[in-house]
Amino acid sequence: DSGVTQTPKHLITATGQRVTLRCSPRSGDLSVYWYQQSLDQGLQFLIQYYNGEERAKGNILERFSAQQFPDLHSELNLSSLELGDSALYFCASSVGNQETQYFGPGTRLLVL
Amino acid sequence: AQSVTQPDIHITVSEGASLELRCNYSYGATPYLFWYVQSPGQGLQLLLKYFSGDTLVQGIKGFEAEFKRSQSSFNLRKPSVHWSDAAEYFCAVGADSNYQLIWGAGTKLIIKP
Repeated sequence: DSGVTQTPKHLITATGQRVTLRCSPRSGDLSVYWYQQSLDQGLQFLIQYYNGEERAKGNILERFSAQQFPDLHSELNLSSLELGDSALYFCASSVGNQETQYFGPGTRLLVL
Repeated sequence: AQSVTQPDIHITVSEGASLELRCNYSYGATPYLFWYVQSPGQGLQLLLKYFSGDTLVQGIKGFEAEFKRSQSSFNLRKPSVHWSDAAEYFCAVGADSNYQLIWGAGTKLIIKP
């Protein structure tokens, strides 16, 4: 158990819909990272927040957004969902930047 | 631009045999190097990391990795694999200049009984 929690574990929704994925980092960690893992694209870094502020952006679509709240939990919002958005979404946390990242168990999203 | 290459998509090893998973990176300075393991249906777990110092790094579950600057490599080794080692292994590289980790495509390890 890494100490990073993600909810929900599984999510099934339809194209065009919007979903919110939630992540609680390990106690004391200030950085939260979001990743997408799919069979064809592998593990893709989406975005990082550090102490409430966006710190780095990766291959995140404009339909996707994230935020980190004062209690340091983070949410990833996915809108106008497409079939290709079906994937595992991981959250990771670390104490700061360039520290070891600890991964949550992931949210499996299925868009039908 | 930084990149990470794991040249083997799949590797099959007999239980009890030794293992080496390859990881090559492209980066001008000394990077931070990580190996993670992902069991089926699970998140990624850190096996070991190299930031500086001794180039031979010991990790969990009996794994070790060696940083070779001249070869830009950070290969993962285990002297004797167990069936429970069957998983996907990811190499990742980080740098001071940005906050992202660059990930390899992963190597799926299959254990033959």
